[in-house]
Amino acid sequence: GESVGLHLPTLSVQEGDNSIINCAYSNSASDYFIWYKQESGKGPQFIIDIRSNMDKRQGQRVTVLLNKTVKHLSLQIAATQPGDSAVYFCAENTGSGGGADGLTFGKGTHLIIQP
Amino acid sequence: DAGVTQSPTHLIKTRGQQVTLRCSPKSGHDTVSWYQQALGQGPQFIFQYYEEEERQRGNFPDRFSGHQFPNYSSELNVNALLLGDSALYLCASSPHTDTQYFGPGTRLTVL
Repeated sequence: GESVGLHLPTLSVQEGDNSIINCAYSNSASDYFIWYKQESGKGPQFIIDIRSNMDKRQGQRVTVLLNKTVKHLSLQIAATQPGDSAVYFCAENTGSGGGADGLTFGKGTHLIIQP
Repeated sequence: DAGVTQSPTHLIKTRGQQVTLRCSPKSGHDTVSWYQQALGQGPQFIFQYYEEEERQRGNFPDRFSGHQFPNYSSELNVNALLLGDSALYLCASSPHTDTQYFGPGTRLTVL
């Protein structure tokens, strides 16, 4: 089965609210995690990454949290905007090459922003 | 600075045919990875090229092969196409051991 999975296939939030997208992984050897955003008809767009020696990392309006104890990853998006509507994928990497090794993706969460 | 580019955008083939997809990495990137994304699914890793050699390979049959050129661009070849090969094929480039950035993909339809 897949090493990385997502709890919810679809998440609907009101514009301006915060969104939290969750991801569970099963490979305890994974040491690098990435969140990608994919809009319809486009390739995945890098959002933020985190390495296993960190618990939290912040970007512009986004925060990634990593809980290695329960093998859980989350993406928080603050003050969601219509442009945040997309499918969000978490991906993991277990290779010694760091981020450039082949990634394992989950199925994705479709984030819908309600006006 | 151009990002990752792929060609063609769309392609229609029939079963049994062969196809070649092309990828130009982002400037400064020397590693190219290929992924297959079926409709409604996450991308699946096919293989990765670095220094003109296949460095890693996912769980794909030998019908899937590739090449990397001295300028770091890459090709993905698929022989004896099956209906199940219909998918979005994504190329990602990275500086070695760093984050991968994806191109827009090539939509392959096998009839």
